[in-house]
Amino acid sequence: GQQVMQIPQYQHVQEGEDFTTYCNSSTTLSNIQWYKQRPGGHPVFLIQLVKSGEVKKQKRLTFQFGEAKKNSSLHITATQTTDVGTYFCAGDMRFGAGTRLTVKP
Amino acid sequence: GAVVSQHPSWVICKSGTSVKIECRSLDFQATTMFWYRQFPKQSLMLMATSNEGSKATYEQGVEKDKFLINHASLTLSTLTVTSAHPEDSSFYICSCGKSSYNEQFFGPGTRLTVL
Repeated sequence: GQQVMQIPQYQHVQEGEDFTTYCNSSTTLSNIQWYKQRPGGHPVFLIQLVKSGEVKKQKRLTFQFGEAKKNSSLHITATQTTDVGTYFCAGDMRFGAGTRLTVKP
Repeated sequence: GAVVSQHPSWVICKSGTSVKIECRSLDFQATTMFWYRQFPKQSLMLMATSNEGSKATYEQGVEKDKFLINHASLTLSTLTVTSAHPEDSSFYICSCGKSSYNEQFFGPGTRLTVL
């Protein structure tokens, strides 16, 4: 069945450094969504991408959807301690394993 | 964003009992509701998709007789874990989708512990 792979599993950065998480699907996706889950909380929707090659920005966050609609990335510029949490991609309702981001002040 | 509630937030039960979890969309009508389970430090595993007034669609490997889903209205879906066993202990999260957009709004989750 469809698989959504996400890497890395963990990422520890110094505050101010950049961070990127990647998702890859074994099949072409109709859309991909990104969620953030804080420790002890529930996933919160960040964004949805539907078009091939689409790029969207939210302040320090940049989201990309690959040309083949099989991969996506989330890039955070100049991380802050408030960015801590687990970032999940979800392709057509299938969640990746998530990337847990920790930020050292 | 939309508000989704879940009840109870946590439950502890004895092995063999059944547990019902409610998921409510408080400020919008959710045509589709999703049920997930999440093990510690792991991702969300989609269990089933339910549409109001119709039978739920279960993911492969999820027993429909074990996890009963009822989507009686556009604002309420319930998940009943029947004859719960310790291996059913997990974090169960529901989400609701609006009709014209695939964005999901998640409930706060229910932590089930089966002794």
